[in-house]
Amino acid sequence: QKEVEQDPGPLSVPEGAIVSLNCTYSNSAFQYFMWYRQYSRKGPELLMYTYSSGNKEDGRFTAQVDKSSKYISLFIRDSQPSDSATYLCAISDSWGKLQFGAGTQVVVTP
Amino acid sequence: SQTIHQWPATLVQPVGSPLSLECTVEGTSNPNLYWYRQAAGRGLQLLFYSVGIGQISSEVPQNLSASRPQDRQFILSSKKLLLSDSGFYLCAWSQKSSGRTDTQYFGPGTRLTVL
Repeated sequence: QKEVEQDPGPLSVPEGAIVSLNCTYSNSAFQYFMWYRQYSRKGPELLMYTYSSGNKEDGRFTAQVDKSSKYISLFIRDSQPSDSATYLCAISDSWGKLQFGAGTQVVVTP
Repeated sequence: SQTIHQWPATLVQPVGSPLSLECTVEGTSNPNLYWYRQAAGRGLQLLFYSVGIGQISSEVPQNLSASRPQDRQFILSSKKLLLSDSGFYLCAWSQKSSGRTDTQYFGPGTRLTVL
């Protein structure tokens, strides 16, 4: 069993819709939670970083962490075609090694 | 601000040939450095990480090696490439922080095709 599970998609939504992405993890020692966005043939770029349960907002993006359920989510409001990318969750323990999900491909259609 | 560079951007190599990929970071000192490989449609696999010059930890046994000859330079090498070495190679850096991780920042990547 992988330590971080993420549905690979693809997830296709119309422009303006809410995109909902999620990951589950198995190791309760994980403390830090990140979401990266990766455009085709590019390196991942950091979108969100959080270390506590609850919600964190940044513009149209909301990261949600539920440590009791070992479940993290990313919501994208008012999605745009430019949001079409692969979204990777990344989780780490206090030793600094990141465990990545496989990534979910998102397609926002005009 | 910090910048991370990788080269080459694209590489096509025959099986059995050597490999050298380079990564450099600007705008920071004494970073942690990482090499990842991303196969098509799959997540990132950590290959090597380094906490300082000459200090390399290997995560996956393979025919690849890494070196850190300077503080902000990280090199991925192979003496003889295999078909299975094809993939997207990403270098990343993070700042050291006592007792916990810091986020990792990725370079633009090198796409390697072994024929």
